[in-house]
Amino acid sequence: AQSVSQHNHHVILSEAASLELGCNYSYGGTVNLFWYVQYPGQHLQLLLKYFSGDPLVKGIKGFEAEFIKSKFSFNLRKPSVQWSDTAEYFCAVNAGNNRKLIWGLGTSLAVNP
Amino acid sequence: EAGVAQSPRYKIIEKRQSVAFWCNPISGHATLYWYQQILGQGPKLLIQFQNNGVVDDSQLPKDRFSAERLKGVDSTLKIQPAKLEDSAVYLCASSFHGWELFFGEGSRLTVL
Repeated sequence: AQSVSQHNHHVILSEAASLELGCNYSYGGTVNLFWYVQYPGQHLQLLLKYFSGDPLVKGIKGFEAEFIKSKFSFNLRKPSVQWSDTAEYFCAVNAGNNRKLIWGLGTSLAVNP
Repeated sequence: EAGVAQSPRYKIIEKRQSVAFWCNPISGHATLYWYQQILGQGPKLLIQFQNNGVVDDSQLPKDRFSAERLKGVDSTLKIQPAKLEDSAVYLCASSFHGWELFFGEGSRLTVL
């Protein structure tokens, strides 16, 4: 069965630190990849997505993610985090003919000012 | 553009009672989703509609959960009777094409 793994469940950083959140999926074919973010008290919103083309994808608020097909990974990065990046981050994958989005368990990021 | 509207935002009920949640998607979005999000977990798809037809309800506990999307616009999700383990946030999302989902604020259910 297809699955999505987010390696870090809780991350605590200081402002200006660099961020990398891991996401791995299990499927050998074509995939669509997403990162969603949920700020405290707000709804889930799309951070960035990959369908095809350049494997380095840029999203909102300075986030980027790199699709590495050989590693089945789609890690999220930001060079310098801010307190306002405190949120829950979810990786999601849609694979092949399966019309269902498979979600990771999420990573809770806390950025200390 | 108006977002996905959900109500109520919060609901507290006793077990075995019933509850209904309402969702109005973004205008023009043909696909509507209901997700259940339990604290500490990722969203779990309960049901997906394409217009007013069901695309996927494989994870909907049909003995107690029901959902409808009359006229292909707004939708209601009902739980009857509720169990303690139904305590969760119920998320509604809609999409126009592809897989960019737009989520509502969610309806937080507490079952006592």
